[in-house]
Amino acid sequence: GAGVSQTPSNKVTEKGKYVELRCDPISGHTALYWYRQSLGQGPEFLIYFQGTGAADDSGLPNDRFFAVRPEGSVSTLKIQRTERGDSAVYLCASSFQPNQPQHFGDGTRLSIL
Amino acid sequence: QKEVEQNSGPLSVPEGAIASLNCTYSDRGSQSFFWYRQYSGKSPELIMFIYSNGDKEDGRFTAQLNKASQYVSLLIRDSQPSDSATYLCAVAVGGNDMRFGAGTRLTVKP
Repeated sequence: GAGVSQTPSNKVTEKGKYVELRCDPISGHTALYWYRQSLGQGPEFLIYFQGTGAADDSGLPNDRFFAVRPEGSVSTLKIQRTERGDSAVYLCASSFQPNQPQHFGDGTRLSIL
Repeated sequence: QKEVEQNSGPLSVPEGAIASLNCTYSDRGSQSFFWYRQYSGKSPELIMFIYSNGDKEDGRFTAQLNKASQYVSLLIRDSQPSDSATYLCAVAVGGNDMRFGAGTRLTVKP
């Protein structure tokens, strides 16, 4: 497909487990963003990649969260020792260049039991 | 002060009316401004973007930007029930990052 693809669409796991969320951006988009959205809130910025490097990771809440984009395309958001407060919808977006309109994937709904 | 502020609503307008959605931002250096629509359970969908002071029109939608007042608005003319959604204001800060408001929930009543 031509849009941003996120997998899995839903993830349910137990507190303390490790999870990986994947994002496949639109082909040719150099900028990739991760957000977290809780019910009734706007998307909360987590991290932004320009190419392979994390240009800004200031939104990651703590060191349990980490993200990579090794080849400048697909990105993986990794959460260690999950906590119930990590439950949210994790959104990925990409844009052709930074500062340009971002296009969102359908998100991964993460539930920590 | 939050970086991007919106009235959470809900905002209710009758079908055919003009809906006016407002947003203020704190970073004076911001250069890019976006409006997204989000239906319940769905991801945000880009409606409009604006970079320059003034108005930008696209069909029934008009975005207005006033950088001196740090204010962005979205007008929806001839509102339809299908416009009922949450509207998110987003502002590019620090050049490249994006910050979102909490969104305004709009209901268009038939």
